[in-house]
Amino acid sequence: DAGVTQSPTHLIKTRGQQVTLRCSPKSGHDTVSWYQQALGQGPQFIFQYYEEEERQRGNFPDRFSGHQFPNYSSELNVNALLLGDSALYLCASSTGWLGAEQYFGPGTRLTVT
Amino acid sequence: AQKVTQAQTEISVVEKEDVTLDCVYETRDTTYYLFWYKQPPSGELVFLIRRNSFDEQNEISGRYSWNFQKSTSSFNFTITASQVVDSAVYFCALEGPGANSKLTFGKGITLSVRP
Repeated sequence: DAGVTQSPTHLIKTRGQQVTLRCSPKSGHDTVSWYQQALGQGPQFIFQYYEEEERQRGNFPDRFSGHQFPNYSSELNVNALLLGDSALYLCASSTGWLGAEQYFGPGTRLTVT
Repeated sequence: AQKVTQAQTEISVVEKEDVTLDCVYETRDTTYYLFWYKQPPSGELVFLIRRNSFDEQNEISGRYSWNFQKSTSSFNFTITASQVVDSAVYFCALEGPGANSKLTFGKGITLSVRP
């Protein structure tokens, strides 16, 4: 049973560019959450998707957007990249929320130059 | 607003020592969940334990044990007889209902276990 997978593993972009990160949830999971983890910090919640809708959002600007597909996979899009967007982006999947165990993927390391 | 504080930033111990990782949380919710996650150098967060606010029973699982005290808003984690493989960053996290239905993480504690 495959766990949460993310692609790509690493990515280097230039300021102002746009990026799309992808996540496939663990089999049987219908809820996908995205987190940004800056170096030396704890993960920060970006948003959560359920039934193809954004059900919860953290304190991130509109440059961060997402999508969930009918097969529960998800994308995170970031427009107009800033140097401060350099981080590890983690995807987590679960069945539902409050108290649900979230399974995390290995992350995508984004570097903005 | 929810907040998780992990005051310790780095801990270094020698193998076989016991080590306790501290976690203090703040929330106005009466129903909430607390979690511990481990992040090894590979980067993938690994779930260790979950506790809901109505269950203050402490738990022991092998070399791991957890002490949840609502009176002090603490959820501490102890590793007994530490091993080199325990070296990782450990995060405490909090989740509440409604608008707080998202994991709020602390800054993490880097644990180094030396042989």
